[in-house]
Amino acid sequence: DAGVIQSPRHEVTEMGQEVTLRCKPISGHDYLFWYRQTMMRGLELLIYFNNNVPIDDSGMPEDRFSAKMPNASFSTLKIQPSEPRDSAVYFCASSGRGGLVRLGSGANVLTFGAGSRLTVL
Amino acid sequence: AQTVTQSQPEMSVQEAETVTLSCTYDTSESDYYLFWYKQPPSRQMILVIRQEAYKQQNATENRFSVNFQKAAKSFSLKISDSQLGDAAMYFCAYRSAWGNEKLTFGTGTRLTIIP
Repeated sequence: DAGVIQSPRHEVTEMGQEVTLRCKPISGHDYLFWYRQTMMRGLELLIYFNNNVPIDDSGMPEDRFSAKMPNASFSTLKIQPSEPRDSAVYFCASSGRGGLVRLGSGANVLTFGAGSRLTVL
Repeated sequence: AQTVTQSQPEMSVQEAETVTLSCTYDTSESDYYLFWYKQPPSRQMILVIRQEAYKQQNATENRFSVNFQKAAKSFSLKISDSQLGDAAMYFCAYRSAWGNEKLTFGTGTRLTIIP
């Protein structure tokens, strides 16, 4: 397996522009997470999905942020309009079988993508 | 809500020596998982080791081992025979054993290896 695939690796844009980050989780994983990492706030969970359904989006900063998971193999995180304070590294992660059952030893590990570094000027 | 605390922002160790990174957590649950992730300068998040709370035996992965003290809610990472490639940010993390839960991270410890 190629692991969790994120694109782009780097994005530089100007304030006010729309930014779309993409993620392809590991095949068979039914959890997908979007995290943001900054020096000031560390690693923050933005949103996570289970079986393509958003479960907890309480970490999404504001209405400018939106995330979708149209199918089991693809998710996007969109920022519109972008602001300089959105500059960060955005990570996507996935994990295995879950739901309302106890996570087995193989399912509890989150595998992370390489991250997308966003710079908003 | 669960919280994870790493009280050591930075640590350094001489190459080939042993270093211990501290982590404490707060939870009301009895069934959960604990993890250490490593983030080298490449920024890739790499799983180092994991511990299941119901297992009393401390997890070990080659030069990496943990000291899991469930009653004290403590989960420290010991790195033996430190190598230059161990230099990275290390994050402690918590996840409920029952599905539908996120991974909660500590603030990280930056480990420097002194040649």
